[in-house]
Amino acid sequence: GAGVSQSPSNKVTEKGKDVELRCDPISGHTALYWYRQSLGQGLEFLIYFQGNSAPDKSGLPSDRFSAERTGGSVSTLTIQRTQQEDSAVYLCASSLVPGEQFFGPGTRLTVL
Amino acid sequence: RKEVEQDPGPFNVPEGATVAFNCTYSNSASQSFFWYRQDCRKEPKLLMSVYSSGNEDGRFTAQLNRASQYISLLIRDSKLSDSATYLCVVGDSGGSNYKLTFGKGTLLTVNP
Repeated sequence: GAGVSQSPSNKVTEKGKDVELRCDPISGHTALYWYRQSLGQGLEFLIYFQGNSAPDKSGLPSDRFSAERTGGSVSTLTIQRTQQEDSAVYLCASSLVPGEQFFGPGTRLTVL
Repeated sequence: RKEVEQDPGPFNVPEGATVAFNCTYSNSASQSFFWYRQDCRKEPKLLMSVYSSGNEDGRFTAQLNRASQYISLLIRDSKLSDSATYLCVVGDSGGSNYKLTFGKGTLLTVNP
């Protein structure tokens, strides 16, 4: 079956612009996570959606970051007024069984 | 103290060698444990869960020592295709939330 998909695969933007990243989770997976990974660094948790519960936003680095999940499926991560330090690979994962996360290929964001 | 700590390596071993990775975690209440693998410029993928009794999957053996808050992964008869970064992962739940914390990973290169 189809895995997790993300779009775009690459995004180059100018400092100060807004960007929107999309994640399509595996159908039926109730949990959806966003992470980011900078070069040579580990995965940094950003936000977590579980079913209809309020999202866990504890990992969002600033109020420029927001995310939503519509209809319990597709999710978008929005970064407003991008900064150079936002450059990273943004990874989305979905899960049905706790701990068994399936990752998308990521969006590589470059802020010039 | 970092939540999940791993030796970053790199580990360079010849084909057929046995190699072991270690990991420590800081939260004694953590409930679940995993090893993920991440190939260069790819997304992480679940390798195996780690159970208190220890578990084996082919050439891979994972062990957990809750008293020492220590997790290990042993790879026997290593193959070229085992070259990757191995991520130690700890799962914690709180209420309806469930989150994974990833170590920064240990880089393994298996040489012919």
